[in-house]
Formats: sequence, C-alpha cells, structure tokens
Amino acid sequence: QSALTQPRSVSGSPGQSLTISCIGTNSDVGGYNYVSWYQQYPGKAPKLMIYDVNKRPSGVPDRFSGSKSGDTASLTISGLQAEDEADYYCCSYAGSYSWVFGGGTELTVL
Amino acid sequence: QITLKESGPTLVKPTQTLTLTCTFSGFSLSTTGVGVGWIRQPPGKALEWLAVIYWDDDKRYSPSLRYRFNINKDTSKNLVIFTMTNMDPMDTGTYYCARVEITYAGILRQDAFDVWGLGTMVTVSS
Repeated sequence: QSALTQPRSVSGSPGQSLTISCIGTNSDVGGYNYVSWYQQYPGKAPKLMIYDVNKRPSGVPDRFSGSKSGDTASLTISGLQAEDEADYYCCSYAGSYSWVFGGGTELTVL
Repeated sequence: QITLKESGPTLVKPTQTLTLTCTFSGFSLSTTGVGVGWIRQPPGKALEWLAVIYWDDDKRYSPSLRYRFNINKDTSKNLVIFTMTNMDPMDTGTYYCARVEITYAGILRQDAFDVWGLGTMVTVSS
C-alpha cells in the first residue's frame, strides 16, 4: 500500500482554474469511488472538501469539484481565491476497510 | 456538533510505547458505518493513515507499521485508545484522530474522514 502520487506544488493567479491530480492504482483510486480531498492550512487540522470522488460537504464552495478517471482522481478549483492557498491531500479507500493518503500538494496563489 | 480531541504525552523516549486517547462527542461509535481513525503528520510532511476502528470492533492498520499498533474503543465512554510500540525519533509528528464513515449494508455515508481533532504533537527524543 503505497502513498497516492500528487504533484508537490501547483500555482495559479486569482480567478484562474487549476487541477490537482492524485494517482493511485486499481487497488485504491481505480477500484472504488471513495476518493476524498482535504484542505490544510499551516498548523491546522485538515478539512474535508470532497468525498465520494465528487460530492461536496455542506459549506464547501461549489468552486471545488472532484472527478476520477481510471486510477487518477482530480480536484479542480475554479475562480481561484487567495484563501485557497493551502496544502491539499487526496485520500482513497484501499479495500479491506483500510485507507491511503496522497503525498500532498502545496497550492500557491500568485 | 461533532468534536474529537486527542490527548497524550508530548514527549516520549525512543523504544517507549506511545498511548494516545481520542475523546469524542456528537456521535456514537456503535452506529453502523462509523469509525474513528488515527492519522499522523511528521513536521513539514504528508498525512499518513495509521489505524482505524469501526462500530463493529473491526480494526485495521497501515500494512507497513501494523505490528507496532493497537487500537481499542470504549463505546460507553466515547473514546478510542491508540498505542504505538517501540517509538523512534522518526515517529515525531502531529497525531490526529478523525471520524470516518463508510457506506455499509446499503446505508450511504461520506466514505471519508469527515471531522478531525485539532491534533497533538508528539516528540520522540531521549
């Protein structure tokens, strides 16, 4: 069970859209529609932003969306805002009631 | 309102056993599809899932570290206890507990760690 692969960093200007990828295998991302995404500010606990690949919890702006194709999940943030600058982690169910996280992506708003 | 809070030592010595407690409120660990997991984060590094215990007392551990872990629950007291043996300086980091929900027996849930504690920093040093 290896960590899911995410880009170390991404950046974009306010108003732009950007996408963070999360690459797994057919034993985790590709095998289940149980991918979630978390936003984490420095020194703070992670916050759930997307669950079940593309569902948003109450209170999460609709600028955040998720998708999946094969073994790759993606988080897209449209209309980028300064407050979106944070670390983002993907997570997937990995079968047998276990879980695996991605390596994290640092998002910088230019 | 759902809350979770981690507690335990801030400093442990190498080879010692770490015991952390997660005290929660606002949900029951006897509800089908609900669990409590532990996730750690070394300073400046990524989140790493460690263990989870579910409503039916099913326990799962990260394959790479499973032989060092134990997790138990006390449903009546709303707490989960996590132990990690043979601590090493590489185990230094913030340890989080979080509620997890899974879809089970046709009951749709969020299949994610939906509420997190604030985390507790653990340093391993002699």
